Amino acid sequence: DVKVTQSSRYLVKRTGEKVFLECVQDMDHENMFWYRQDPGLGLRLIYFSYDVKMKEKGDIPEGYSVSREKKERFSLILESASTNQTSMYLCASSPRNRRLYEQYFGPGTRLTVT
Amino acid sequence: KNEVEQSPQNLTAQEGEFITINCSYSVGISALHWLQQHPGGGIVSLFMLSSGKKKHGRLIATINIQEKHSSLHITASHPRDSAVYICAVRPNFGNEKLTFGTGTRLTIIP
Repeated sequence: DVKVTQSSRYLVKRTGEKVFLECVQDMDHENMFWYRQDPGLGLRLIYFSYDVKMKEKGDIPEGYSVSREKKERFSLILESASTNQTSMYLCASSPRNRRLYEQYFGPGTRLTVT
Repeated sequence: KNEVEQSPQNLTAQEGEFITINCSYSVGISALHWLQQHPGGGIVSLFMLSSGKKKHGRLIATINIQEKHSSLHITASHPRDSAVYICAVRPNFGNEKLTFGTGTRLTIIP
């Protein structure tokens, strides 16, 4: 079974704090994704990584950065958290093989910035 | 206008009813996914399809590529089917990325 884990289920941070969200997958997938999910807006892609040290901006990268130093781990960093970054954050991974392509999601981290 | 539109946004039905959720998209795609999200957040993939029809238990997914439309059907619905159902497409131009609909919240009443 593919397993994608996220470091926290719930997180409360103060405005201006630096926030790290970590995601780990155990299926040797090349691709990893960070999304945020907000009511009425669905899932929106923040960043995408297709290999170690490789990253690509998604639809809403402003205010975020990412790090992928190891294949199994993809970190999302909020350099200076703001209240409008209060959201559900979901990590996903997928194999590069397009025939087998399917995204596997982590349980999500509900982040509140006060 | 979103590239992926789902309808209805909310659906409440009695246990046992036949459920249909619709998804329309505006771009050329290589695949369409149906996902399920239960309260608490976790998302699981139900189907990935690029043509025709797939069935898994009481769930059936169909796609019409020419009409850019897909449907998810649930037969003999049960309260445990209550969840948000999300349609996502893999555009031809988007390599590994998915574009998501905003989801349909389904509630099945016993």
